[in-house]
Order: sequence, then C-alpha cells, then structure tokens
Amino acid sequence: AQSVTQPDIHITVSEGASLELRCNYSYGATPYLFWYVQSPGQGLQLLLKYFSGDTLVQGIKGFEAEFKRSQSSFNLRKPSVHWSDAAEYFCAVGARSSGGGADGLTFGKGTHLIIQP
Amino acid sequence: KAGVTQTPRYLIKTRGQQVTLSCSPISGHRSVSWYQQTPGQGLQFLFEYFSETQRNKGNFPGRFSGRQFSNSRSEMNVSTLELGDSALYLCASRRDRGLADTQYFGPGTRLTVL
Repeated sequence: AQSVTQPDIHITVSEGASLELRCNYSYGATPYLFWYVQSPGQGLQLLLKYFSGDTLVQGIKGFEAEFKRSQSSFNLRKPSVHWSDAAEYFCAVGARSSGGGADGLTFGKGTHLIIQP
Repeated sequence: KAGVTQTPRYLIKTRGQQVTLSCSPISGHRSVSWYQQTPGQGLQFLFEYFSETQRNKGNFPGRFSGRQFSNSRSEMNVSTLELGDSALYLCASRRDRGLADTQYFGPGTRLTVL
C-alpha cells in the first residue's frame, strides 16, 4: 500500500523568503503525485500534479515541485512567499486500482505554513 | 462554472444517531469521492462513486455508506454515530475516473458528534 510522509508539521518562513516543503512517498510503481493547499474553513485546492515526463512541475500561485525517484521525494518550492500563502499544505499520492480505474488519494498529515512579517 | 457544493456545512448530532451528507459535483463530472479529515488521522479516503456505482472503498466500517444518483449528486450516510466520527467530511469530483483528471474539492461538512 502507498504512504506519504511530510516530516515537518509546522514551518515558519519570513515573508519574501524562499520555501521548501518536504514530501516522501512509498509506492511500488510510478506514482501519481499531488500537492494541495487548504486555507482555514476551506476545502482543498490543487497546486500541482505529476504523472510522468518532466520531473520539475509548475503549478499555480508560483509554486513548483520536483519529482526525484531515487529519493522517493516530491518537494514543493516557492522562491518568495507572500503572507497569503499561510495555510495547510498536503502532499498526496494516487494509486491505480486493480480494476484499472483510479483509486483514492493517500494524503500526508500536512505541513502548517506560518508566514512571519 | 459552479464548484463542488456540500450541504449542510455544519451539523451536530448525538451518539447513536445517523446522518446524511450531500454533495453536488461540478456540472459534467461523473466521479465523486468522499474523504474524512480529522486532526489525528488526517485525510482518509472513504469511497468513490462513478456512474452510480461504488468503485473503490477505503478502510472504514460498514456504518459508512454512500450512493450516487443519475445526476451524479452523491450522498454519504453514517449510521450509529460514534464520538470518533466527528470530522470534516470532504467531497471531491472529477470528470472521469482517471487520476490524470483533477479532483476538485468542496468546502466540506463539519460534523460534530456529542
């Protein structure tokens, strides 16, 4: 079964500084990888996704992530954070079910991002 | 285009009761998935419906069930509520069942069991 680890429960970054959120996954085949963001009282919004091809993926709001198969990682990065980036960030892996269709997403426990002025 | 809507947004029930949550997917989306979010367990997959059929199911007891109607709207039911069922229940829709298709999440229903 697949699993996702986000080692950092909380991260504090100064506004304007760069950001990297870590994500490690465990899955036997080529994974489908996602990063979602959740603001208080809101649902999840997809930031970016990786299925195949270029290992550096660009997303919305200036975020990017790099898939590294050798390290089983899919870290999220942003060169300069804004106060509005404060939120909960979730990494997820998707599996393909034996029936050929998509399975549910397995999420990490999330990283709470705090932005200091 | 309207997003995924969930009703009600907040719900308070007592132990032993049952509850039904509703999800209206984005127009044209045929797949609806449900997730439970709690502080302790995080986000966990409950089940997915596609064209009125449950295709995949997570590791939850039989008290959790769901269904999907011909217009793709979905309902989730929890019977014999327990305190541990208090959670944010999120619904997500996508056009088809492929993982390549983006899953759009609703705002969730906050269920509190007393």
